[in-house]
Amino acid sequence: DSGVTQTPKHLITATGQRVTLRCSPRSGDLSVYWYQQSLDQGLQFLIQYYNGEERAKGNILERFSAQQFPDLHSELNLSSLELGDSALYFCASSPRDRNNSPLHFGNGTRLTVT
Amino acid sequence: AQSVTQLDSQVPVFEEAPVELRCNYSSSVSVYLFWYVQYPNQGLQLLLKYLSGSTLVKGINGFEAEFNKSQTSFHLRKPSVHISDTAEYFCAVSFGGYQKVTFGTGTKLQVIP
Repeated sequence: DSGVTQTPKHLITATGQRVTLRCSPRSGDLSVYWYQQSLDQGLQFLIQYYNGEERAKGNILERFSAQQFPDLHSELNLSSLELGDSALYFCASSPRDRNNSPLHFGNGTRLTVT
Repeated sequence: AQSVTQLDSQVPVFEEAPVELRCNYSSSVSVYLFWYVQYPNQGLQLLLKYLSGSTLVKGINGFEAEFNKSQTSFHLRKPSVHISDTAEYFCAVSFGGYQKVTFGTGTKLQVIP
């Protein structure tokens, strides 16, 4: 058990809809990262937050947004969903925002857009 | 340009045989190197990491990796694999000062009984 909790585990929704994925980081970790994993794109970095502030942005679409709350949990909002957004979305956390800190991953949220 | 390459998408190997999973990177800045493993329906978990010091790094489950700066490689090895090692393995490289981890495309290790 990594200590990172993601909810829900599965999500099925229709095109055009909006969903929110939630992540609780490991106790004591200040950094939260979101990744998208799909068969054709592999594991893609979306965005990173550190102690409530956005730290780094990757291949995140404008239809997607995220935030980290004062209690350090994070939410990833996906809107105007398309079929191609179907993927496994992972949250990871680390104690700091330095690049020598290993990431601890949750078990992911599997999003299916129909 | 900064990149991570795992050339082998799938590696079949017989049980108790040795295995090497290859990882190469390209970078103009300092790097930290990691290997993660993903079992079916699970998130990634850290196998081992290279931050500094000895270039031979030992990890969990009997895996080890060697950092070769001149060849910009960080290959993962295990002298004798088990069925339970069947999983997907990801090489990851952290470039620069702040956390910016880039993952390779993954290598699926299939251990054959």
